Amino acid sequence: ETGVTQSPTHLIKTRGQQVTLRCSSQSGHNTVSWYQQALGQGPQFIFQYYREEENGRGNFPPRFSGLQFPNYSSELNVNALELDDSALYLCASSLDSRFYNEQFFGPGTRLTVL
Amino acid sequence: AQSVTQLGSHVSVSEGALVLLRCNYSSSVPPYLFWYVQYPNQGLQLLLKYTSAATLVKGINGFEAEFKKSETSFHLTKPSAHMSDAAEYFCAVSVDSGGGADGLTFGKGTHLIIQP
Repeated sequence: ETGVTQSPTHLIKTRGQQVTLRCSSQSGHNTVSWYQQALGQGPQFIFQYYREEENGRGNFPPRFSGLQFPNYSSELNVNALELDDSALYLCASSLDSRFYNEQFFGPGTRLTVL
Repeated sequence: AQSVTQLGSHVSVSEGALVLLRCNYSSSVPPYLFWYVQYPNQGLQLLLKYTSAATLVKGINGFEAEFKKSETSFHLTKPSAHMSDAAEYFCAVSVDSGGGADGLTFGKGTHLIIQP
């Protein structure tokens, strides 16, 4: 059974640029959630995708957007990058969207915005 | 809205000593509570979760936590610390908001240091 994978591992961008992060969910999981973890902080919920539809969103601006594909992999897109977007971005998959299901996390993508 | 407070950003214990990591939550509806561990340069791994079936929850690696509704707490304990327990620990809460997903709400984390 393959776990959650994310790519790339590290990324450096400049302010104003756009970035796409990718996530492959664990086999059998149809739900993917994305989190932003700033240095020294706990992860913050960005949004969740369930069966290719956005199923919930945290307090993040519209320049944070996502997609989920038929194989349940997912992308996180961030437009007009700001310095404060520098963080570890974590993807987590779960069996379905029920709130009590365990979320399985990937290793994350470290984004640095200069 | 729900929230989590973890008391102590850093906790240091000697190898073999009791580990106690504190977590208090706030929620207007019955919560589900989780403890996750994060090792350097890795994602989060679930240690245990409270789902209302039992107030004392046993997890992996000898950890356990007790849900106390009256104290709105979900403290994590381990009787005897090992060097391999050194990591960042996060308490998280999830609730059924009745609408779309709210995701997990995490505390700021507690860095556990094990002294030889």
